[in-house]
Amino acid sequence: KAGVTQTPRYLIKTRGQQVTLSCSPISGHRSVSWYQQTPGQGLQFLFEYFSETQRNKGNFPGRFSGRQFSNSRSEMNVSTLELGDSALYLCASRPTSGTYNEQFFGPGTRLTVL
Amino acid sequence: AQSVTQPDIHITVSEGASLELRCNYSYGATPYLFWYVQSPGQGLQLLLKYFSGDTLVQGIKGFEAEFKRSQSSFNLRKPSVHWSDAAEYFCAVGVAGGGNKLTFGTGTQLKVEL
Repeated sequence: KAGVTQTPRYLIKTRGQQVTLSCSPISGHRSVSWYQQTPGQGLQFLFEYFSETQRNKGNFPGRFSGRQFSNSRSEMNVSTLELGDSALYLCASRPTSGTYNEQFFGPGTRLTVL
Repeated sequence: AQSVTQPDIHITVSEGASLELRCNYSYGATPYLFWYVQSPGQGLQLLLKYFSGDTLVQGIKGFEAEFKRSQSSFNLRKPSVHWSDAAEYFCAVGVAGGGNKLTFGTGTQLKVEL
């Protein structure tokens, strides 16, 4: 089975722009979560989607949004980029069966805001 | 709210030596506990997990961890470290009903001296 894929892997934007990142979960996984990783704040939960519905949201401003499509692929969008949004954005998917929280992470998208 | 503490930011060990990475969590009930490893420029790979049952869990790459409720700890161990183990290690906690949300520690950077 292919793992979680994220595109693009690297992205450079300037302040004020917006950006969209994409995540394709492992085949059969219906739950997708997003995390932000920065040297200062570490790994922080952004949001979780299951069956096209946002199930959980972290403590991030409204500039951060996401969605999930019927094929379970997910996108996250950041509007009005700030320098502090520079980070590695990780996507994770979860198996549909079982009640555990085990997640499988993608390689991430490295976003640099200039 | 749950929290995770990894007291050691950096650890250096010699190849062949034993390793123990510390992790303490704060949560009122029994949490789900995970150890992930991240190599430079990569996503997170799950080493092992604890949900219930036997408090000593075995993972991949020769790692094991022991859940100690009385100490709120979930320390990661390896009897003999290999140079390829050099990476950053993250302890994480999930909670029942929390869906995909994981709370991560700040990570421990492991350096292996040859």
